[in-house]
Amino acid sequence: SQQGEEDPQALSIQEGENATMNCSYKTSINNLQWYRQNSGRGLVHLILIRSNEREKHSGRLRVTLDTSKKSSSLLITASRAADTASYFCATDQAGTALIFGKGTTLSVSS
Amino acid sequence: GAVVSQHPSRVICKSGTSVKIECRSLDFQATTMFWYRQFPKQSLMLMATSNEGSKATYEQGVEKDKFLINHASLTLSTLTVTSAHPEDSSFYICSASLAGADTQYFGPGTRLTVL
Repeated sequence: SQQGEEDPQALSIQEGENATMNCSYKTSINNLQWYRQNSGRGLVHLILIRSNEREKHSGRLRVTLDTSKKSSSLLITASRAADTASYFCATDQAGTALIFGKGTTLSVSS
Repeated sequence: GAVVSQHPSRVICKSGTSVKIECRSLDFQATTMFWYRQFPKQSLMLMATSNEGSKATYEQGVEKDKFLINHASLTLSTLTVTSAHPEDSSFYICSASLAGADTQYFGPGTRLTVL
C-alpha cells in the first residue's frame, strides 16, 4: 500500500526558480528518502533523512522532516532544465521495504 | 557504492510466454531483495520481499503463482512472470539491502512489454 502522498502532482517552473515538493505519510517511520526518476529510467537516490533529524542539505537540495505532522519537503534551489524529472518520497520502518508516494512531476523550462 | 544490476533491461514477449528477470548485487551480499512494479505515469508498488533461502513474501493482490521469485544466493534474485499477458507490461525494479541496513540499492529496472 502506498503511504506517501506528494504534493503537488505536477510542477512547472522556469530555470533559476526554486521548486518545493511536499510529502505526507501515515504511520511512524524509520527513515524518509527522496528519489528522482527521469522518464523511463531507474531511480536515483537523492537524500535520506532519519526520523530523528529535522533538516538535511545536499548541494542544491534541502530536505525537511516534521514527524509531528508526518510530512517532509524537498526544496531544489536554482533549478536547471536537467532537474526535469519525477520525484518520489519513500518511507520505511526498520528493515522493511520502501513505500513510495505517488510522485511529483517537475518540469523546468529554460 | 553498492551496485545492483538487472537483466535484461528490456524484453518484449508474446502473450502466454514466461519471462525471467534477474537482479544481482554486484559488490555486496544482499540478505533481502525487494521487487517493485511501476506502471506508466505511476509510482512504484512493492510486489514482494525476498529473503535468501526462504520463500518470498508477497504483497496483497500479487499472485505468487504468477510472479515466481527465487532468491537462491546472497547476490541473485530472480522474478519469473509466468504466462505473461499484456496487462503485465510494466517496469520492474528490484532493490537490495544488507541485513539491518537502512539503505536500499536499486537496479536500473527492466521494461517488460507483452504483445
